[in-house]
Amino acid sequence: ETGVTQTPRHLVMGMTNKKSLKCEQHLGHNAMYWYKQSAKKPLELMFVYSLEERVENNSVPSRFSPECPNSSHLFLHLHTLQPEDSALYLCASTPSLVGTRYNEQFFGPGTRLTVL
Amino acid sequence: AQSVTQLDSQVPVFEEAPVELRCNYSSSVSVYLFWYVQYPNQGLQLLLKYLSGSTLVKGINGFEAEFNKSQTSFHLRKPSVHISDTAEYFCAVSEQTGANNLFFGTGTRLTVIP
Repeated sequence: ETGVTQTPRHLVMGMTNKKSLKCEQHLGHNAMYWYKQSAKKPLELMFVYSLEERVENNSVPSRFSPECPNSSHLFLHLHTLQPEDSALYLCASTPSLVGTRYNEQFFGPGTRLTVL
Repeated sequence: AQSVTQLDSQVPVFEEAPVELRCNYSSSVSVYLFWYVQYPNQGLQLLLKYLSGSTLVKGINGFEAEFNKSQTSFHLRKPSVHISDTAEYFCAVSEQTGANNLFFGTGTRLTVIP
């Protein structure tokens, strides 16, 4: 595997289910992101992790719970979601957040989530 | 805070015709500028970026963009499009200092007509 991978690619769940999205980067990067992509809206940054520590949480409801066990893996645990949470969830990684030099973000293919 | 406006949600264009996708931004600080492309069922891929230097930036697949600071614009252009260019295109900005966060526009759906 190369780049950023995400599993599953598609997920359908009920409002009372618990599920998890997984992201893995094979690039040796130190920072990872979760984004939500809804139709007709800009990509929304949800969480940012740097060296396995959460550095940003953009007012995301607590029914979304991120976890970063190491610099290569990022999870998004889902619980008691609402139909409006249906969207494409994208993971991205970047070499480092340290310093002022810009580092490109590399995106995974996303998980298409449908909440019934 | 930064914001990005992509006024055209959909742009149909005939194959081999030129295309321009518009992007305007607002920010109180200096920014970096980007264009990403998203093909069906895929993640975002970087097309090109402006960090500093020449305001005309060339990217992959024959695309280019010009940074215009006075008009706060970063329009994307291609002189002759192909069917394979059909995709969603996103403009994004990032502050030159501070976090590496990207702020995206709502996207422009480019459809190339045979």
